Amino acid sequence: KAGVTQTPRYLIKTRGQQVTLSCSPISGHRSVSWYQQTPGQGLQFLFEYFSETQRNKGNFPGRFSGRQFSNSRSEMNVSTLELGDSALYLCASSLGGATLSSIGELFFGEGSRLTVL
Amino acid sequence: AQSVAQPEDQVNVAEGNPLTVKCTYSVSGNPYLFWYVQYPNRGLQFLLKYITGDNLVKGSYGFEAEFNKSQTSFHLKKPSALVSDSALYFCAVRDIQTGANNLFFGTGTRLTVIP
Repeated sequence: KAGVTQTPRYLIKTRGQQVTLSCSPISGHRSVSWYQQTPGQGLQFLFEYFSETQRNKGNFPGRFSGRQFSNSRSEMNVSTLELGDSALYLCASSLGGATLSSIGELFFGEGSRLTVL
Repeated sequence: AQSVAQPEDQVNVAEGNPLTVKCTYSVSGNPYLFWYVQYPNRGLQFLLKYITGDNLVKGSYGFEAEFNKSQTSFHLKKPSALVSDSALYFCAVRDIQTGANNLFFGTGTRLTVIP
């Protein structure tokens, strides 16, 4: 079974540009979550999509947005990039159900490392 | 609000010795607690979780964690450390307010196993 695939793995942008990151979840997983990881702030939750609907949202500005397609693939977009957006962006997929066996067990991709100059 | 704290940024242990990585939590209601591990330049990997039931939870790669409600702790343990266990370890708690997969992560503890 293929794991979570994130593209691109590395990218460099300049301030003011926008970026789109892609995530393909494990087959059969309907939930995709996005996290930002930085040395200073650690791991912070961005948002979660389930069946093409945003189910949860973290405390990030509106410049950060996402969407999920009918095949469960997800994209996140960051507009008007700032230096502080430099980070590792991690996507995680899960079954998304509410059963005790599936709660919180996330499968992470290797991340997209964004550098903003 | 839910949160977890990992009081140690760095833990060093000799190969073959037992290891403990500490985590304390703060939640309202029943805690759902997790441990994840991150190897260099990789995403996080799920190790184990406590939802309900036995306080001692067994997980992947020989790791286990003990849930202690009175001390609000969920320490990660392994009886005999391997050099390959060297990695960054994160404790996490589920946000019961907003849904199943909104996890709050601790700041991480870097474990180094010395040969």
